[in-house]
Amino acid sequence: GQSLEQPSEVTAVEGAIVQINCTYQTSGFYGLSWYQQHDGGAPTFLSYNGLDGLEETGRFSSFLSRSDSYGYLLLQELQMKDSASYFCAVLMTTDSWGKLQFGAGTQVVVTP
Amino acid sequence: NAGVTQTPKFQVLKTGQSMTLQCAQDMNHNSMYWYRQDPGMGLRLIYYSASEGTTDKGEVPNGYNVSRLNKREFSLRLESAAPSQTSVYFCASGRIGKNIQYFGAGTRLSVL
Repeated sequence: GQSLEQPSEVTAVEGAIVQINCTYQTSGFYGLSWYQQHDGGAPTFLSYNGLDGLEETGRFSSFLSRSDSYGYLLLQELQMKDSASYFCAVLMTTDSWGKLQFGAGTQVVVTP
Repeated sequence: NAGVTQTPKFQVLKTGQSMTLQCAQDMNHNSMYWYRQDPGMGLRLIYYSASEGTTDKGEVPNGYNVSRLNKREFSLRLESAAPSQTSVYFCASGRIGKNIQYFGAGTRLSVL
């Protein structure tokens, strides 16, 4: 079967650092993506890791280890606006249609 | 630049009624997708279209049909709605070689 595991909820204070882990077991793995979704909103792309290692985009970083079937999203200098759900998603193929398999999501709650 | 536009935003149906969810993108993307999102279950792929004229089943296609009308438009049809189809439906599009999907604002559907 195919599965992606990520924690259901993480709570942290403003200014803190949060790490959201994602472990996966899928066929046809090509890369790991992260999406952010605010309540009532649409998912928006945050980052993609096609190779092992760290990708940094401003306050957000994402890491991938293919050998461990594991990745994480690191949120630094947390702000209230970072309160949202975060989804890891496996890119199943690099064919023209780029099919994604999503995890169930991690709700991040940022407190003052 | 509108991106991905979905209509309607909200819909209430009675069991057995039919309806079509519309999706259009203005980013000249080849690939388009329909997802449903239920609480605690992330996004599940219903159908996708690699290019104009082609469609394929995703993870949860039962009870749905799709039409890729042209490169811009990808519609999702519920022929006989059931309460189990109460969900939030998202349309997305993506470009070959770019591992990013762009999502519409969603359609919130209730089937009574």
